[in-house]
Amino acid sequence: DTGVSQDPRHKITKRGQNVTFRCDPISEHNRLYWYRQTLGQGPEFLTYFQNEAQLEKSRLLSDRFSAERPKGSFSTLEIQRTEQGDSAMYLCASSRQAGYTFGSGTRLTVV
Amino acid sequence: GIQVEQSPPDLILQEGANSTLRCNFSDSVNNLQWFHQNPWGQLINLFYIPSGTKQNGRLSATTVATERYSLLYISSSQTTDSGVYFCAVGGSGGSYIPTFGRGTSLIVHP
Repeated sequence: DTGVSQDPRHKITKRGQNVTFRCDPISEHNRLYWYRQTLGQGPEFLTYFQNEAQLEKSRLLSDRFSAERPKGSFSTLEIQRTEQGDSAMYLCASSRQAGYTFGSGTRLTVV
Repeated sequence: GIQVEQSPPDLILQEGANSTLRCNFSDSVNNLQWFHQNPWGQLINLFYIPSGTKQNGRLSATTVATERYSLLYISSSQTTDSGVYFCAVGGSGGSYIPTFGRGTSLIVHP
């Protein structure tokens, strides 16, 4: 069990650029979640995959955000035309049934 | 959506003290988890406890689903317990996805 891996750990980008984050879940976990966390707040749900199917998306996930999980393994979260309000910690979690395991997150700073 | 309220928002303890953190939620749930976020930002799952009582070392948790609350007990606190404790609940309105509260920030002084 190597845990949930996220890459990169930190990303600084200029406003208007596109960014992509990767999440590698625990191998036997079929469920994968993306959350976003800003300072002083709890994580906010973005989207959820069961295997390769994206089953739920939050209203927070604007058209500039897209997520994929090809073949039900790793997942990517892309943000197009980044805005300063996108600056946050992006967290990935996986589970098999009950109880999440979170990765260390990707901290995005949009300048 | 479901509302999750955690109290107290902030807590400062001396090492060795005991504490109780509370999570109230606004609807019936079938999924409740407690997490600890350490000062480096890593979220650690402490308990999956949609109902009943569980214990793990100095930590224990109780969920009374019918009354829509859960409690996290920390006994003999240590400086390494510092961080933010989150409650996440789900299962309301047909969605399994947990909603997080705003957390309780705990500082344990030596």
